[in-house]
Amino acid sequence: DQQVKQNSPSLSVQEGRISILNCDYTNSMFDYFLWYKKYPAEGPTFLISISSIKDKNEDGRFTVFLNKSAKHLSLHIVPSQPGDSAVYFCAASESNTGGFKTIFGAGTRLFVKA
Amino acid sequence: NAGVTQTPKFRVLKTGQSMTLLCAQDMNHEYMYWYRQDPGMGLRLIHYSVGEGTTAKGEVPDGYNVSRLKKQNFLLGLESAAPSQTSVYFCASSRLGNEQFFGPGTRLTVL
Repeated sequence: DQQVKQNSPSLSVQEGRISILNCDYTNSMFDYFLWYKKYPAEGPTFLISISSIKDKNEDGRFTVFLNKSAKHLSLHIVPSQPGDSAVYFCAASESNTGGFKTIFGAGTRLFVKA
Repeated sequence: NAGVTQTPKFRVLKTGQSMTLLCAQDMNHEYMYWYRQDPGMGLRLIHYSVGEGTTAKGEVPDGYNVSRLKKQNFLLGLESAAPSQTSVYFCASSRLGNEQFFGPGTRLTVL
């Protein structure tokens, strides 16, 4: 039973347009959510996070939205750039647990076409 | 700072062979983790450590052992490798918070 689901294995977007990556979770104990970005042959790197007390967090071109009632979060990238082409992992955790209760989704591969 | 480093980067084993993967971090993080990444499965936690001398099982611990003798190092051992352990292995570390810093990965193939 996957507690964190990324239902789109891949997404293709034109440069300059918006990329929207989606993530759903089932465990109501999750109260901290993260997005990681991964390039080929590299480890994932932390991108942005959001606590359940917020419904939006913005960092430059990246914005994460959280809908707790729907148990859904999304990552918006505006404008998309070719360098954003990577695999994006959604992760959910119980805050202050040190990360060992973090559950990762299967990832969405984003292609940004120039 | 090197961050999180992993040794080796690639390895091919025969079924039944043993090996140890080494992870080192220079950020003085208390928490360290070993994950495996398989196609369509995301990252799954194998074992983790909340401090020097401590280890605990994650989601998929069978067939693996770990040790954390020094705060900066976290070793993952495969005593008798099986083809099902063919995967990419990532080590990560964190402070008490949730953001984790990952190493570059070790690609292991078991024939």
